[in-house]
Amino acid sequence: KNQVEQSPQSLIILEGKNCTLQCNYTVSPFSNLRWYKQDTGRGPVSLTIMTFSENTKSNGRYTATLDADTKQSSLHITASQLSDSASYICVVIPPSGTYKYIFGTGTRLKVLA
Amino acid sequence: KAGVTQTPRYLIKTRGQQVTLSCSPISGHRSVSWYQQTPGQGLQFLFEYFSETQRNKGNFPGRFSGRQFSNSRSEMNVSTLELGDSALYLCASSSTRAYTDTQYFGPGTRLTVL
Repeated sequence: KNQVEQSPQSLIILEGKNCTLQCNYTVSPFSNLRWYKQDTGRGPVSLTIMTFSENTKSNGRYTATLDADTKQSSLHITASQLSDSASYICVVIPPSGTYKYIFGTGTRLKVLA
Repeated sequence: KAGVTQTPRYLIKTRGQQVTLSCSPISGHRSVSWYQQTPGQGLQFLFEYFSETQRNKGNFPGRFSGRQFSNSRSEMNVSTLELGDSALYLCASSSTRAYTDTQYFGPGTRLTVL
């Protein structure tokens, strides 16, 4: 069983609509949780970084939330644009002593005009 | 400021060969990490270098190795290539090893093993 699971695996929405991507993790404790956006054929780009004590972090139209009690994080995208079409990856970083990022398998988002 | 660069971008090798991939971090960044990305396994951590020393290593066989030079540029080497080594190899750099530091990824090297 993956330590970081994302849902849905893929998602198709219309331009202008909102959507929410989910990330459930079992890694505990952890130092921080990150969301990355990866366009096809390119490297991931960091969207948000949250420590275990933070509940929410925004970056423009992207808002990440974290519930440490339920071990869930979500990424909400507001007023989607065609350029939001990409894979979104949730990453959990364990505490100091290890630098091993634990990646989710990602959600592939397709925004249609 | 130039981003992380990786060379080559694409590579085709045959089983049993070896390959060396190169990564130039953002100027001033001293930490370089390598990742393997495949459709089945997603992103997996290979190793991390900081100040020319390997600081951490993922669960990959000894055929995978790397090094970092005094200018922070890094190389990774895969010997005795197997079909399963076909993947996108990503390099990421950050200025320090602090967990609050953002990692900046390069575009990757797409390795195909025939």
